[in-house]
Parts: sequence; C-alpha cells; structure tokens
Amino acid sequence: AQSVTQLDSHVSVSEGTPVLLRCNYSSSYSPSLFWYVQHPNKGLQLLLKYTSAATLVKGINGFEAEFKKSETSFHLTKPSAHMSDAAEYFCVVSDLYNFNKFYFGSGTKLNVKP
Amino acid sequence: DVKVTQSSRYLVKRTGEKVFLECVQDMDHENMFWYRQDPGLGLRLIYFSYDVKMKEKGDIPEGYSVSREKKERFSLILESASTNQTSMYLCASSAVGTLNTGELFFGEGSRLTVL
Repeated sequence: AQSVTQLDSHVSVSEGTPVLLRCNYSSSYSPSLFWYVQHPNKGLQLLLKYTSAATLVKGINGFEAEFKKSETSFHLTKPSAHMSDAAEYFCVVSDLYNFNKFYFGSGTKLNVKP
Repeated sequence: DVKVTQSSRYLVKRTGEKVFLECVQDMDHENMFWYRQDPGLGLRLIYFSYDVKMKEKGDIPEGYSVSREKKERFSLILESASTNQTSMYLCASSAVGTLNTGELFFGEGSRLTVL
C-alpha cells in the first residue's frame, strides 16, 4: 500500500533563510513522487517530480528535492526563502503501475517572515 | 498552455439543493478526477473517470455522483446538498500511455458553501 506523511503541518522561516519541508512515503513498488504548491484559493501547481531518473530533482522557483530510498524520504528544499513562497505544499506519491492512484500528504503550510 | 477549467469558483447553496460542478480540460487527457479539500485532511478522492462514461469510486463517494459524457468534461453532482459538503472541490486530469508524464493537472477549485 502507498501512503505519504508530511512531518510538519506548519513551517515558519525568515525571508532569505533555507526552507526544508519533510515528506516520508511508503510504497510497495517503485514510486513516482511529486511536490505541489497551492497558493490561497488556487488549484495545485506542480513544483517537481521524481520518476526513477536522477535522485536529485530540480523544480520551479529554485526548489529541489532528493529521493532517498533507504530513508523513504523525499524532502523539499530551497536555499533562500522568498515572500512569494508562502503557500501550502503537498507531497504526493503515485504508483507507476496504477496511474489512477495518487496519495496525498496532509500538507505543510509555509509561512515566510519579512 | 495546458488548462483545466472549473466553471464556478464560488457557490452558495441551500441544504437539499442539487448542485452541479463542471470541469473541462483541453489536454485530451483520458483520466479525470474530483477531489475534496478540507483543512488538515489534505485532498480526498471522490470519484475518477478513466474514459468517457466510465467512472470509479474514490475514497469518499457517498453523497456524490459524476457524469462524463464527453472526454473533455467531467461533472460532479451533489444530489441533495448538505452542510457537511461545504468544502473546496478540485478537479484534475492526467494522461495515460506514452503521453503520461505522471502528474496531475489541477483546476483552480470551486469553493462550495451549503447553508
């Protein structure tokens, strides 16, 4: 069975400092992993995805994530937070063999302080 | 630019009313999904469709039905709205086969309030 755990429901950082949003997954098969961002009253936008290629994945707006199979983790990072990064972030796992199934974490709200 | 369009961004309905939420995608995707989003619960799948006239129940189908008469359009129906269906509803689509890049494409959401 697949599942996703986002370890922090809220993260607060100062502008210009690093961002770390944590995600652990459980998967019976080789997973596809995604991070999505949702700004207030908007839909979800893809930040980046891992689909069994390079383990370090670069996404939009300076975000990146590293797939660590031994730790079953896919943490999202950014070296320097910007005010516009304030949003909710979702970690998602899907089954490469069952394209209809996507499992969402409960989300992490990122607050960026001036 | 790929697009998933939800026709109603904000709706206010009364208990017992029938509610239609419409979603249209212009990417020729086979799969379409309806999710419900509530604070602290993430996204929960209501129904999905993998082809015209085909549908499968998700995790929380009770109180909802869906319709997919055309490939590009997927409708969510609340036969008799109740206050516990007040929520944000998100439509999404994805490709299959050689076009499948794995990700979901989302609409901007429909925020429904049932009084």
